[in-house]
Amino acid sequence: NAGVTQTPKFQVLKTGQSMTLQCAQDMNHEYMSWYRQDPGMGLRLIHYSVGAGITDQGEVPNGYNVSRSTTEDFPLRLLSAAPSQTSVYFCASSNRGTQYFGPGTRLLVL
Amino acid sequence: KNEVEQSPQNLTAQEGEFITINCSYSVGISALHWLQQHPGGGIVSLFMLSSGKKKHGRLIATINIQEKHSSLHITASHPRDSAVYICAVGNYGGSQGNLIFGKGTKLSVKP
Repeated sequence: NAGVTQTPKFQVLKTGQSMTLQCAQDMNHEYMSWYRQDPGMGLRLIHYSVGAGITDQGEVPNGYNVSRSTTEDFPLRLLSAAPSQTSVYFCASSNRGTQYFGPGTRLLVL
Repeated sequence: KNEVEQSPQNLTAQEGEFITINCSYSVGISALHWLQQHPGGGIVSLFMLSSGKKKHGRLIATINIQEKHSSLHITASHPRDSAVYICAVGNYGGSQGNLIFGKGTKLSVKP
C-alpha cells in the first residue's frame, strides 16, 4: 500500500493564481481531511470528508474548496492564492480514529 | 486560551535519559493522540488512547481523563528520537477525525 500520497511536494504561486493540491489514499478509509501547519501554531483543520460526496468545513476553510467524488481522492483547491496561504499542507485519512498523514505539500505564495 | 497545551515547548536530553512530555486539554474528548513529526516533515501516529496506558517499544503514553492530562514517556532516549511530538485531541461526535492539535514539543537527544 502506498498509504496517503500528496502532490506536488513543493509549489510556488503568484498572488491570485489558482491551483489544486492532490491527495489520494489506497486504504479505503472513509474519513479524509486537510490541515495546514504554520510556524508557532498547531495543525489546523481546513476541510474534511466523512465519505464520497460528503464534505464539511473545518477551522480555517476560507479561500479553499474541496470535493470528494471517490473514496480514494480528496483534492484541495486554492481559488485565488494569497500570501497568507503560504504554509505546509497535510492530507490525512483515518480509520477508527487512527490518523495516517501524507508527506505534505510546501506552498509559497508570492 | 489554547484548548490543547503542551509542555515543554523545547527539550534537550542526553542519550539514555528518561523523557516526559506533557499535554493538558480543556475540552471533552473521545480520544487523545500522540504524533511524531520527523525533521523531514513527515507525521506518524504513535498512540491513540481514551483511558489508561499504552506502550510500544520504548514509548509509553498515559492519560488521566479526570485531570484532562496525558504524558508521553520515552525510556532510554536515543538521537533518532529527535523529532517534534504533537498531542491532539478528538471530540468525535459523529465525525472521527476532527482533531485539535497542540503546538508540539521539539525534542533533541544528544549523543
